[in-house]
Amino acid sequence: EAGVAQSPRYKIIEKRQSVAFWCNPISGHATLYWYQQILGQGPKLLIQFQNNGVVDDSQLPKDRFSAERLKGVDSTLKIQPAKLEDSAVYLCASSLGRTQDQYFGPGTRLLVL
Amino acid sequence: AQSVTQLGSHVSVSEGALVLLRCNYSSSVPPYLFWYVQYPNQGLQLLLKYTTGATLVKGINGFEAEFKKSETSFHLTKPSAHMSDAAEYFCAVSGYSSASKIIFGSGTRLSIRP
Repeated sequence: EAGVAQSPRYKIIEKRQSVAFWCNPISGHATLYWYQQILGQGPKLLIQFQNNGVVDDSQLPKDRFSAERLKGVDSTLKIQPAKLEDSAVYLCASSLGRTQDQYFGPGTRLLVL
Repeated sequence: AQSVTQLGSHVSVSEGALVLLRCNYSSSVPPYLFWYVQYPNQGLQLLLKYTTGATLVKGINGFEAEFKKSETSFHLTKPSAHMSDAAEYFCAVSGYSSASKIIFGSGTRLSIRP
């Protein structure tokens, strides 16, 4: 069974630029999560999708971050414009349902200069 | 509200020694508790979880954890450390409803000395 795929694995941008991350969850997983993991901290949930609907985006900085999950499969997370404090690893996870075990992708490491 | 405190950002043990990683939680509802492991440049992998029932939970790679409600703790142990156990370990808590999100601790980096 293929795991959660993410791309790119690494990205370096300058502040005020925009960036997008892509996630392909495990086939059949209805629930998809985006986490932000700042160096030295645990992951923090940014947004959770159930199929193509948003369940929780309470910690998503909506003035600069956006996410979508068209057709309830792949998902894209965008930052526009990026700030220095957005430097982090962005993890995507998926699960069969909202109370099921989450499976994490390898993450995208973002450095904002 | 829920939170997790991991005591010790870095733990170093000798190969073959006991591993003990400490975790205390705070939760206003009966908690679900988790331990995840993260190897360098990889995502998180679930080691074990407590939901209900038996308070001693066994996970993968020889790890286990015990839920102690009276101490609000969920410490992770392994009797004999192996070099391959070197990684970052995260304790996490959530509620039992489908609306609950997982709250992670700040992590403990485990180093193994030869």
